[in-house]
Parts: sequence; C-alpha cells; structure tokens
Amino acid sequence: AQKITQTQPGMFVQEKEAVTLDCTYDTSDPSYGLFWYKQPSSGEMIFLIYQGSYDQQNATEGRYSLNFQKARKSANLVISASQLGDSAMYFCAMRDEESMEYGNKLVFGAGTILRVKS
Amino acid sequence: NAGVTQTPKFQVLKTGQSMTLQCAQDMNHEYMSWYRQDPGMGLRLIHYSVGAGITDQGEVPNGYNVSRSTTEDFPLRLLSAAPSQTSVYFCASSHQGYSTSGANVLTFGAGSRLTVL
Repeated sequence: AQKITQTQPGMFVQEKEAVTLDCTYDTSDPSYGLFWYKQPSSGEMIFLIYQGSYDQQNATEGRYSLNFQKARKSANLVISASQLGDSAMYFCAMRDEESMEYGNKLVFGAGTILRVKS
Repeated sequence: NAGVTQTPKFQVLKTGQSMTLQCAQDMNHEYMSWYRQDPGMGLRLIHYSVGAGITDQGEVPNGYNVSRSTTEDFPLRLLSAAPSQTSVYFCASSHQGYSTSGANVLTFGAGSRLTVL
C-alpha cells in the first residue's frame, strides 16, 4: 500500500524568503508519480507540480521546485521568494503509474499549513 | 469552460436523511472520482469510475453509493446520513490511462461542505 507522510502540520516563512515543505512516501511500486497541490482558504485544490519516479531531473514550475530524493523516498516542495498569496494548505500526493488503467487514484498526505509573514 | 462543477456548495442534514451530491464535468474526461477531506487526514478516495457504467470502491466507500450513467455526471449518494459523514467532499476528473505527454493531472471541483447533525 502507498503512504504519504507530511510531518509539518504548520510552517511560517517570511515574505520573499524560500521555504521547504517536507513529504516522504512509502511504496513498493516501481513506477509512481508525485504531486503537490495547494489549497487556499477559499477551498479549491490547485495543482502545482508533478514528478515521475523515472524522471532524471527535479521538476520545476516557476517559483515551485520539487526536491526529489528517490533513495530517501522524499519529494519536498521548495517555494522560492515567498509571497503573501502563498499562504495556504499544501498537500503531497502519489499515484501508482502502472495501475493507471484502473484509475487515476491519488493517495494524499495530511497536509501542511503555510503562513507567509509580511 | 466550466471544468468540474459540484452542487450544492453547502448542505446541512439531520441524521438519517438522504441526499445526493452532484458532480458534472465538461472536459470529456473518462475518469471521475469522489474524495472526502477531514482535518489531519488529507483527502481520501471514496469511489471512482473509469467510464460510463463502471464504478469501483476507494479507501472509504461505506455509507456512499455512486453511479455513472453518462460520461459527464458522477453523483454521490448518501442513503442515511451519519455525523461521521460531516466533511468536505471533492469531485475530481481526468482523462483515463497513462499519459506519455504529461502528468494526467486530476482537476478538482470547488468542494461541497456537508454537515450532519
């Protein structure tokens, strides 16, 4: 079974500084995908970034990058130059890529609340 | 482009009442799913469907029914609501199957907040 662990219930960061949100995972699947979603106070789920387990390079999307360390089974999200609008709940999730024919099923972590201070 | 539309956005029920959460998508997605979000537990999969006429159970299916008669719609039914079903419910959809062109990202609806008294 797959499991996602986010050990930081809450984090604070000063505006314009970088912040790392931790995510560790457990799976026996050889091929998997890792996702980060943002949930602002308005409640919607916003996709941020994706990393495939066979991708050689760490994924980046604008100010978001994924620090993927396969041997340590970690997929930390790095947000550079934090903005007040980054204050939100952040979820790490994973998917078994080889079972995609049976459905695009994601397993989510408990989430980390990030607060950006001005 | 509406994306994934969920109704209602808020609902209060009494224990034992029944209701249906509606979900519709206009992206021709084959895959649709329902999650519930509870504090400290993230999102957990309730039921999912890989196409019209095909549904299956997720991690927490008890107390919920689904059906998929069309590609666009995937309603979630609570036959006899219980306080333990107080939660925020999300419908999510995507194309089905592995995509070599990208992540095949799930698109979420805005959520439905349900309170069972």
